[in-house]
Amino acid sequence: QKEVEQDPGPLSVPEGAIVSLNCTYSNSAFQYFMWYRQYSRKGPELLMYTYSSGNKEDGRFTAQVDKSSKYISLFIRDSQPSDSATYLCAMSGRGGYQKVTFGIGTKLQVIP
Amino acid sequence: DTGVSQDPRHKITKRGQNVTFRCDPISEHNRLYWYRQTLGQGPEFLTYFQNEAQLEKSRLLSDRFSAERPKGSFSTLEIQRTEQGDSAMYLCASTTEGSTDTQYFGPGTRLTVL
Repeated sequence: QKEVEQDPGPLSVPEGAIVSLNCTYSNSAFQYFMWYRQYSRKGPELLMYTYSSGNKEDGRFTAQVDKSSKYISLFIRDSQPSDSATYLCAMSGRGGYQKVTFGIGTKLQVIP
Repeated sequence: DTGVSQDPRHKITKRGQNVTFRCDPISEHNRLYWYRQTLGQGPEFLTYFQNEAQLEKSRLLSDRFSAERPKGSFSTLEIQRTEQGDSAMYLCASTTEGSTDTQYFGPGTRLTVL
């Protein structure tokens, strides 16, 4: 079993829809939770960062972490065609350095 | 440009050849990471430097792989005797000590081994 599980999709939604992306994890030591967006043939771009449980909102994006369920989510409101990309969840534990463990990524397509 | 840069962006080589990639982190970042990403997968951790010290290597990093960061600034990743299974995107990321795990990634080097 992988430490981080993420549905690879693809997920197709019409423009303006609310998108929900999710990951589950098994390592209780994870404390930092991130979402990266990756366009084709580009490096990952950090979207959202959350420490421990809770919600964080940034514009059209909301990240949620439920450590009791080992479940994290990213919501995208009013989705745009430019949101079409692969979304990677990522997480790490506390310590002297932070090796990041990534999910497989969910490919999202927003249809105009 | 103050982001992480990587060179080259693309590399095509024949099996058995050696290749070397370079990463220039964000200038004030003292931590540097290498990841490998194959098609349809998330990035997988390879190795990590704090300043010039290589502090951890993944079991994915076989003896054919070596990474250096001689002056605590840029880093190189060398693959000797390349194999077709080495074909992947090699990503570099950097962050600063005391940061909250927000690693910033470069554009990657895409390696194709024929």
